Amino acid sequence: EIVLTQSPGTLSLSPGERANLSCRASQSVRSYLAWYQQKPGQAPRLLIYDTSNRATGIPARFSGSGSGTDFTLTISSLEPEDFAVYHCQQRSNWPPITFGQGTRLEIK
Amino acid sequence: QVQLVQSGAEMKRPGASVKVSCETSGYNFTAHAVHWVRQAPGQRLEWLGWINGGNGDTKFSQKFQGRVTITRDTSATTSYMEMNSLTSEDTAVYYCASSDMVAAILGFWGQGTLVTVSS
Repeated sequence: EIVLTQSPGTLSLSPGERANLSCRASQSVRSYLAWYQQKPGQAPRLLIYDTSNRATGIPARFSGSGSGTDFTLTISSLEPEDFAVYHCQQRSNWPPITFGQGTRLEIK
Repeated sequence: QVQLVQSGAEMKRPGASVKVSCETSGYNFTAHAVHWVRQAPGQRLEWLGWINGGNGDTKFSQKFQGRVTITRDTSATTSYMEMNSLTSEDTAVYYCASSDMVAAILGFWGQGTLVTVSS
C-alpha cells in the first residue's frame, strides 16, 4: 500500500500570501495524484487531479506540480475562503486508493 | 446537476451492522462508479471500496474485505454500503463519492453520514 505523507501538518499564513503544500509518496505514483479541499462539516471537494489539472470551477490561483514521489499544491494568493484542510490522494496501482493525513491551512 | 444524497446519522451497539445509502442523480449511474470513504475523528480519509455502477463489480481495501458489502440498485440509482461486526473504531463519517469507471478521481461527494458505535 502506498503511504502519502503531507507537510506541514499546519500552515499559518495571511490572506494574500502564497501557500505551498507538500505531499510525498512512499513509492512512485507517476502523475496520478489529486488534491481535495475540506471545510469543517463538509465533504471533501476535488481541486486538482493527475498532478496539475484543475477540476471544473476551481480558480486559477490553485495549481499543482510534481511527479513520481514529490508533489506540491500551490495557492498563489490566499483568499479568506481558502483556509481549510487539504488532502492529497493517489490512484496509481489501486486498490487501494490512499490519502495523506491532511494539511490544515489556518489564518495567521 | 450531479448530486449524491446519503442517509441519516446512525447510532449502533458494538457487534451490530449498519447500512448506509447513497442516492445519486444528475449523471449516468451505470456509466460511473461509486466509492465509499470514511473519516474517523482526527484520522486521515480511508478508502473502503468501490462498485461499478454498470455491472456491479466491486473492489475493496484489504482491511475491509469480508466485513464491508457494497451494492447498488440501478433503477433507484443508489449505492449501499453495509458494514458488520462494528466496534468503536468504526465511529466515523462515511462518504460516498462518484468517479468514472477507470480513474479513481472522486469528482462528486455525498454530504456524509455519521456512524457512532457505542455501548
